[in-house]
This record gives sequence, C-alpha cells and structure tokens, in this order.
Amino acid sequence: GAGVSQTPSNKVTEKGKYVELRCDPISGHTALYWYRQSLGQGPEFLIYFQGTGAADDSGLPNDRFFAVRPEGSVSTLKIQRTERGDSAVYLCASSLPGRDEQFFGPGTRLTVL
Amino acid sequence: QQQVKQSPQSLIVQKGGISIINCAYENTAFDYFPWYQQFPGKGPALLIAIRPDVSEKKEGRFTISFNKSAKQFSLHIMDSQPGDSATYFCAASEGGGYQKVTFGTGTKLQVIP
Repeated sequence: GAGVSQTPSNKVTEKGKYVELRCDPISGHTALYWYRQSLGQGPEFLIYFQGTGAADDSGLPNDRFFAVRPEGSVSTLKIQRTERGDSAVYLCASSLPGRDEQFFGPGTRLTVL
Repeated sequence: QQQVKQSPQSLIVQKGGISIINCAYENTAFDYFPWYQQFPGKGPALLIAIRPDVSEKKEGRFTISFNKSAKQFSLHIMDSQPGDSATYFCAASEGGGYQKVTFGTGTKLQVIP
C-alpha cells in the first residue's frame, strides 16, 4: 500500500511569506505527527493529532505555526510570516491506533530566503 | 534540554565489521526505544525497537542492547555492508501509542569496502 506522502517536496519562499505544507497519512492511521528536522539534527516533535483534534501541540515553536486536520486524514502545517530560521525539513508521520511504530513520509524541504 | 544523547556523531567501519552506536536517556517514563535509519532525501524508517522489559533484541544483523539501570541502549550492526551507510537515530517515547518521539542527534555511518 501507499506510504505517507508529503507535498510539496521542496518549497522556497521569501522571508515574511505564508506557507502551507501538506501530509497524506497511510489509510487507517488515526494518529498523525509533524516533526521538524534541521540540518545535521534529529527530528524534533511539533504536534500530533488523534483523529481531527490536536492532542499535543507542545512542540510548536510559536504562534506563527499552526496545523489542522479537519477530516481526520490529510493534515496541513501552516507557517505565517516565515523567518530564515524556519528553514528545515518538515516530516510527517502516521501510526495505527494505539501502536508505537510511526511511519514517516519523505518530508518537505522548506527554504526561507 | 536534550533527553536522548547519542554518540558517536560519525562512524567509519570496514565492510564486514561491527558498527556500534550508543545512546543514553534521562526520562525514566520512556517505555519504547526505536532506532531509525535515514538515507539522504528520505524520511526516517524504523529499523528495530525494544521495550525495557528485555535486555536485548536481535533482528537479522541488527541488535539492540538495553541497560535499564544505566539508562543506556545501543545498536550493533553485525557484518556491516556498504548499503548500511546512512544516518541512524536512536529515539524514545513513553509508549502506549499516540506519543511523541524524542530523537537523538544522529550518527552518520559510512561502511567502506
């Protein structure tokens, strides 16, 4: 079956612009996670969803970051007023209900000029 | 605050040799310890995982050794192959599903012929 997909694969934007990053989880995976991976670092947790609701958003760095999952499947990570420090690979992962194994997508590489 | 410390940062091993990566954690609530393998331009992929009720888990050429009292765990790759060249991340979570994963900083492994 299809894995986690993320679009776009690459996004270049200018400082101050708004961006949206999309994640399509594996079908049937009710848990969805967003992570951010800076160059040479491990992924850092941002937020996770159980179904449509954000169960833990403690990793969002500030109020410029927001994520939604309105129908419990596709999720969108939204970043307002982008800054150069937001440049990173944004990873999405999903998992089956109650299971620990998370399946990661290929990521979206965001570059803020 | 880095909750999972990983070493070494990089590792060069000859083909057929043993690769060893070490990790230490602080949070005693962690209950699930996965290792992820990441190739350039790809998302992390689960390699092997362990829970603290066992001291060792082996899957093929990959073995996790776990020391609960020392709060340390390690990955051993036996008979290392050039195709194993990748970045490896140890990680930890509190388990029980729907839990954010805390990653180490990664070890870049290069297996030379």
